[in-house]
Amino acid sequence: QLQLQESGSGLVKPSQTLSLFCAVSGGSISSGSYSWSWIRQSPGKGLEWIGYVHHSESTRYNPSLKSRLTISIDTSKNQFSLKLTSVTAADTAVYFCARGHVVPGTLWFDPWGQGTLVTVSS
Amino acid sequence: QSVLTQPPSVSGAPGQRVTISCTGSSSNLGAGYDVHWYQQLPGRAPKFLINGNNNRPSGVPDRFSGSKSGTSASLAITGLQAEDEAHYYCQSYDTILTSWVFGGGTELTVL
Repeated sequence: QLQLQESGSGLVKPSQTLSLFCAVSGGSISSGSYSWSWIRQSPGKGLEWIGYVHHSESTRYNPSLKSRLTISIDTSKNQFSLKLTSVTAADTAVYFCARGHVVPGTLWFDPWGQGTLVTVSS
Repeated sequence: QSVLTQPPSVSGAPGQRVTISCTGSSSNLGAGYDVHWYQQLPGRAPKFLINGNNNRPSGVPDRFSGSKSGTSASLAITGLQAEDEAHYYCQSYDTILTSWVFGGGTELTVL
């Protein structure tokens, strides 16, 4: 069965760049019409969709984060990644990666990685 | 504040039926976008429960069902069990935010 595992920096200083990776196992990231997604969860804002990348490298981002965000995919390593620049304390959250199931007009997320806590602090 | 409003908490006794509401507006549920539901057990990642067509992944019992009408949706859980104690989230798309959005979550307590 498909599994996703996040990795990356757990502590980031304000104004620096947050970098995370999501390794996909049990299936190819290149197969199907899935949208490989990032979602975060913070106590103050609940669950927030960040953005996704398709294996064609097309992307779609949450407009509220778009100016600071890059999501990319590496099919040779079966993984995708997230970079968020100029972070502040408001970016402190548990970050999840997930596979997005795309059907015309809708999208749902299944499965999810276990999540990784990223704290923004000096 | 999420554009999808859920009650902060609901509760029920074992064996009972509970419903969790998800209220939106004309820019999301009222615009015809499907609602999907997730269950998050304490300390765990959210788990996909049911999609807008009432399709459940294997392993999710048919005690869970979803419905939608106009700008509101509901998740119903019948035959409540202790293992159902978790947070539940709805998810859809909003045309004003041009983003996929989640409800604020509902904590289900099994009495």
